[in-house]
Amino acid sequence: TQLLEQSPQFLSIQEGENLTVYCNSSSVFSSLQWYRQEPGEGPVLLVTVVTGGEVKKLKRLTFQFGDARKDSSLHITAAQPGDTGLYLCAGHQTSGSRLTFGEGTQLTVNP
Amino acid sequence: KAGVTQTPRYLIKTRGQQVTLSCSPISGHRSVSWYQQTPGQGLQFLFEYFSETQRNKGNFPGRFSGRQFSNSRSEMNVSTLELGDSALYLCASSLEGSGGGADTQYFGPGTRLTVL
Repeated sequence: TQLLEQSPQFLSIQEGENLTVYCNSSSVFSSLQWYRQEPGEGPVLLVTVVTGGEVKKLKRLTFQFGDARKDSSLHITAAQPGDTGLYLCAGHQTSGSRLTFGEGTQLTVNP
Repeated sequence: KAGVTQTPRYLIKTRGQQVTLSCSPISGHRSVSWYQQTPGQGLQFLFEYFSETQRNKGNFPGRFSGRQFSNSRSEMNVSTLELGDSALYLCASSLEGSGGGADTQYFGPGTRLTVL
């Protein structure tokens, strides 16, 4: 059983559509991070959220950290083919602990 | 600044052999973490090194080991390779590591290991 559960695992949409990816846990995290990974590359950090209820925006991407710091979501508005990739959430349960990753959501945006 | 580099990028080995992978962190970064990425398990933490000392360890058998040198470069070794060790091995560096949300990890492109 994964400590961080991501859903959906796979998502294929058309350009211009909106989507939301979820990252859930029964455990509390001191911080959560979202990464994007493209084929042949390592994950690249998109955002870190540390405060319960926090919302961060990065252009067309909106990240939210749940009030109880057990879950997070990533919403993409008007998806573009360049958004295609593997989206990973990861978290530290406590400051100083290792980073735990979810299994990822493979997003494909079709032109 | 140059990013995290990993060598080799691709490796093919047979069962029973051993392998050594190398990671050069971003200049100034003292923490290096290693991860195994497979389609079924996602990214699994192997270990973290800081100032030449292993600071954190994941749930992998003793066949997986690592070390860090005084210049922060790190190597990981897998002995007696098994088919299930086929994976993408990722290295990440950060300034201090194990720092909660404040310390960003920068990943290398990975080494793709195939065990036949």
